[in-house]
Amino acid sequence: DIQMTQSPSTLSACVGDTVTITCRASQSISSWVAWHQQKPGKGPKSLIYKASSLQSGVPSRFSGTGSGTEFTLTISSLQPDDFATYYCQQYNSYPWTFGQGTRVEIK
Amino acid sequence: EVQLLESGGGLVQPGGSLRLSCAASGFNFSKYAMNWVRQAPGKGLEWVSSIGKVYYGDSVGGRFTISRDNSKNTLYLQMNSLRPEDAAVYYCARGGGCSGGTCYWPDYWGQGTLVIVST
Repeated sequence: DIQMTQSPSTLSACVGDTVTITCRASQSISSWVAWHQQKPGKGPKSLIYKASSLQSGVPSRFSGTGSGTEFTLTISSLQPDDFATYYCQQYNSYPWTFGQGTRVEIK
Repeated sequence: EVQLLESGGGLVQPGGSLRLSCAASGFNFSKYAMNWVRQAPGKGLEWVSSIGKVYYGDSVGGRFTISRDNSKNTLYLQMNSLRPEDAAVYYCARGGGCSGGTCYWPDYWGQGTLVIVST
């Protein structure tokens, strides 16, 4: 199985900050990475697919980069609605696997 | 608007069975692979099963069965021999598989249904 190692597990930031979350795959997965946002008590929401493509309706302050084994999610100018937990996920092959999650909290 | 609505969760004793449903609307259901993903309380996301081609995670293979009824736009997960570690919120998600050099991600998710396995 492909392991997805995500860091940090928790991130404290202020409104307006730029934050970056990193995900490393245990083997090359080309660009088949998605990023999802989850708020308490809600289902996940897809933000980014194919490492850097923005899902329809997602604000442009979200961006993704990477290929192979190293991937990042960047949120520019953090907004109050962005405080949530973020997961990377590989869909290169089954079993799909997710990173452990990064909780973005208000500093 | 794409909507996925899970149901069928509840309290079940260890060793028991439960069938989850996911009612889909707002898209051509038969043309998409579908998935179940679960989240234990306070934990991260764990993929359970997919259908397009059928796949199962190691922890549920032989106990869970995924199926779909395209005439009813509904996805199912039959869960047998339930264990305490199967307790989680179960989400259905649209998408998956690879075809023609493109792989498809889970682009829409439901709100989940809670399964509790306890005496």
